[in-house]
Amino acid sequence: DAGVTQSPTHLIKTRGQQVTLRCSPKSGHDTVSWYQQALGQGPQFIFQYYEEEERQRGNFPDRFSGHQFPNYSSELNVNALLLGDSALYLCASSFTSDTQYFGPGTRLTVL
Amino acid sequence: GEDVEQSLFLSVREGDSSVINCTYTDSSSTYLYWYKQEPGAGLQLLTYIFSNMDMKQDQRLTVLLNKKDKHLSLRIADTQTGDSAIYFCAETYLNSGNTPLVFGKGTRLSVIA
Repeated sequence: DAGVTQSPTHLIKTRGQQVTLRCSPKSGHDTVSWYQQALGQGPQFIFQYYEEEERQRGNFPDRFSGHQFPNYSSELNVNALLLGDSALYLCASSFTSDTQYFGPGTRLTVL
Repeated sequence: GEDVEQSLFLSVREGDSSVINCTYTDSSSTYLYWYKQEPGAGLQLLTYIFSNMDMKQDQRLTVLLNKKDKHLSLRIADTQTGDSAIYFCAETYLNSGNTPLVFGKGTRLSVIA
């Protein structure tokens, strides 16, 4: 049984560009949450998707958007990239009333 | 408000016990978690405890919860070099795995052989 998978592993972009990160949840999970982990910090909650809708959102600007597909996989989009968006982006999946399990993350570097 | 605090560094000798501490402020927290992160990797769930429990043991791991002081600790018995990593304490403030996790900044555990 595959766990949570994310792609790509690493990504380098320049300021002002747009990026899309992808996540496939663990089998049987229906909820996907995205977190941003800056260097030396703990993960910060971006948003959560359930039944293809954004259910909760953390303190992130509208440049951060997402989508969930009928197969429960999810995308995180970031527009107008800033240097400060450089971070490890973590996806976590869960099933109702279950614990969140994390993927390996996507390392985004903005130059 | 929600805030999770951890000490940043801990160094122990191989074979000793490690104790990693965490304090939280949200009095409505119901689930408290410990995650492990190795260099360049994602988060691995180690264990969790419900706020109506005082202690949970899982092989080499023991979690202690003091609800009065809002203090959580993780004890690793017989610490090995493979335990070297960053350990994150996290809380959720509703009784569901579908609520956001609030993390501390992590404690970097270094195990000296």
